[in-house]
Amino acid sequence: GENVEQHPSTLSVQEGDSAVIKCTYSDSASNYFPWYKQELGKGPQLIIDIRSNVGEKKDQRIAVTLNKTAKHFSLHITETQPEDSAVYFCAANYNTNAGKSTFGDGTTLTVKP
Amino acid sequence: DGGITQSPKYLFRKEGQNVTLSCEQNLNHDAMYWYRQDPGQGLRLIYYSQIVNDFQKGDIAEGYSVSREKKESFPLTVTSAQKNPTAFYLCASSSGPNYGYTFGSGTRLTVV
Repeated sequence: GENVEQHPSTLSVQEGDSAVIKCTYSDSASNYFPWYKQELGKGPQLIIDIRSNVGEKKDQRIAVTLNKTAKHFSLHITETQPEDSAVYFCAANYNTNAGKSTFGDGTTLTVKP
Repeated sequence: DGGITQSPKYLFRKEGQNVTLSCEQNLNHDAMYWYRQDPGQGLRLIYYSQIVNDFQKGDIAEGYSVSREKKESFPLTVTSAQKNPTAFYLCASSSGPNYGYTFGSGTRLTVV
């Protein structure tokens, strides 16, 4: 089955700096890569996603890049703000697998004011 | 507003008891999922359902059971056979294999 590794497990940045979280996946058949943000005591929320036919996608301060050859994808947050502090999860799906997502272990991002 | 509702928010289970966690969605999504989250870990799949009256085991199904009698509802029963049930349980739904999940707000289950 699919295996997703996520790094780093914790990340602390100063407000206004950029943050980068990286994930690798094992199954070359995976073709959909969502990212979720989870605040304390809440369910994860989808913040951005990318499909395998695209190399990069941006949404305001958030961007995701995908390297299919190397089987890794990354989340980039620019101009970080204290409200960006949360746990971020990457995931990988492939459409022959009933939409099941395999998740990374999460990255706890802390943005210091 | 469309979304997923999980209840209760907190649940306490005595040893040897079965408990049922509720999950209801009004998003008209066909697929629904149950994940378990332990501290400092990712989400692990318990059961999933792509359509009414059909469901499959995920990676950690032992000690759990589900039903899918209605499109909107996907309840999870944690049985006494589950040896370590204390965790945060998340229900999710999706409109298709290449679309993200909408998660509920979770149920925190504690064995007392």
